[in-house]
Amino acid sequence: AQSVTQPDIHITVSEGASLELRCNYSYGATPYLFWYVQSPGQGLQLLLKYFSGDTLVQGIKGFEAEFKRSQSSFNLRKPSVHWSDAAEYFCAVVPLNNNDMRFGAGTRLTVKP
Amino acid sequence: GAVVSQHPSRVICKSGTSVKIECRSLDFQATTMFWYRQFPKKSLMLMATSNEGSKATYEQGVEKDKFLINHASLTLSTLTVTSAHPEDSSFYICSARGLAGVPDTQYFGPGTRLTVL
Repeated sequence: AQSVTQPDIHITVSEGASLELRCNYSYGATPYLFWYVQSPGQGLQLLLKYFSGDTLVQGIKGFEAEFKRSQSSFNLRKPSVHWSDAAEYFCAVVPLNNNDMRFGAGTRLTVKP
Repeated sequence: GAVVSQHPSRVICKSGTSVKIECRSLDFQATTMFWYRQFPKKSLMLMATSNEGSKATYEQGVEKDKFLINHASLTLSTLTVTSAHPEDSSFYICSARGLAGVPDTQYFGPGTRLTVL
């Protein structure tokens, strides 16, 4: 079945530490890939997206993501986390044959002082 | 980037009443609008997709008679929760897309928190 999976429900990191949030997808053809961030009670903000080309994508707020076709993954990374990064992070896909955006379950990031 | 607004941002209503939520694309024409529902600490679940001037396409399990969607213009879509019940309490988020077939032009509204007493 087609799906987008975020294996980690909740991650806690110390401020200044590096971060990696995992995202895996299961589609026949590589879909368009996105990462969004949602602060409590707020809407979604696009961090970055991948359609094709360079597999390392730079986004806003110092985030980057790497597309790995062999692993069907699109993991989000940040070298040094700030307290303001605490939020919910969603991986999303738009399949090539269907323009509806589908979301992973989300990963809640807590940042320790 | 493009702006999508929702109104109201919060609404509290009594069980059995109907509630209308508006979604507007402020600086672009939205050929397609999407409505999502998000339960606390959960992901966004697509409820329906609507194209301007057409009937909405609902996801499996979403009651179309309960969640009425109207997309009468290229800048406005409305979601009406009819005969609301406490289980309809949720965070509703709309999204609008401009150019057909270009996925990165999908923009999200700030959401509407519905509480049904």
